[in-house]
Amino acid sequence: GAGVSQSPSNKVTEKGKDVELRCDPISGHTALYWYRQSLGQGLEFLIYFQGNSAPDKSGLPSDRFSAERTGGSVSTLTIQRTQQEDSAVYLCASSPDAGSMNTEAFFGQGTRLTVV
Amino acid sequence: GQNIDQPTEMTATEGAIVQINCTYQTSGFNGLFWYQQHAGEAPTFLSYNVLDGLEEKGRFSSFLSRSKGYSYLLLKELQMKDSASYLCAVRDQDSGYSTLTFGKGTMLLVSP
Repeated sequence: GAGVSQSPSNKVTEKGKDVELRCDPISGHTALYWYRQSLGQGLEFLIYFQGNSAPDKSGLPSDRFSAERTGGSVSTLTIQRTQQEDSAVYLCASSPDAGSMNTEAFFGQGTRLTVV
Repeated sequence: GQNIDQPTEMTATEGAIVQINCTYQTSGFNGLFWYQQHAGEAPTFLSYNVLDGLEEKGRFSSFLSRSKGYSYLLLKELQMKDSASYLCAVRDQDSGYSTLTFGKGTMLLVSP
C-alpha cells in the first residue's frame, strides 16, 4: 500500500476482554515498530520486528501484551484481559531496513483504544 | 539503553525563530531523527542527522554533536501551523539490530 495502515482506527472494549490491533506496513519494509501514546505523552516503545523475528520485546508492559508478524508483512498486537490503563493510541511504524542508516520510520494513523 | 531529554513545552511568536534542544545518552548511536506531530495525528518525519553538523531543509534545520550527545531543531519564520509537538528520536544500534527510541516531545505553541 501507499502508507502504513492500521485497523481498527478506533476500538472501545470492556475491561477484561481481549483485543487485536493490526498493522499493514509499507510493502518491502523489513523493520516494524509498535508504540503506545497516552494523552499528552510521548511515544512509549513496545516492540520491534526485523522481518518476522522480534529482537527487542523489552517495552511490552506485561505478559498480557504479545505481538507477532507473519510473512515479513502484517503484524498484530494482542492485549489480553484489557485494563483501563491500557487505554491509549497504539501507533505502528515501518522502515525499509533498520540496519541502514538514513531510513526514517513511517507511521500509521494509529488505533485509539478505549477500555471502559 | 537510551535516555532522551527535551523540554516539555515552548512558546514563540509568529515570524520568530525557535530552537528546540534534545540531549541523549545511548549505548550505541546510529542516527537522530526529528518528527512533528499535530494533535490527533501520526508523527511525520522532519530531519535526520548521523554526522556532526547542521542539516538545512527549508525553514527547518537540525544540528548534531555526537561528542556532546546533543541535537537541536531550529524553526525559522514561524507560522501558526507550526504549533505541534516535536519529537526527538535516537536510533540505537546494539547487538546487530536497531531500536528507535523517542523522547517525550516538546509542545510548541505559536501565537500571533
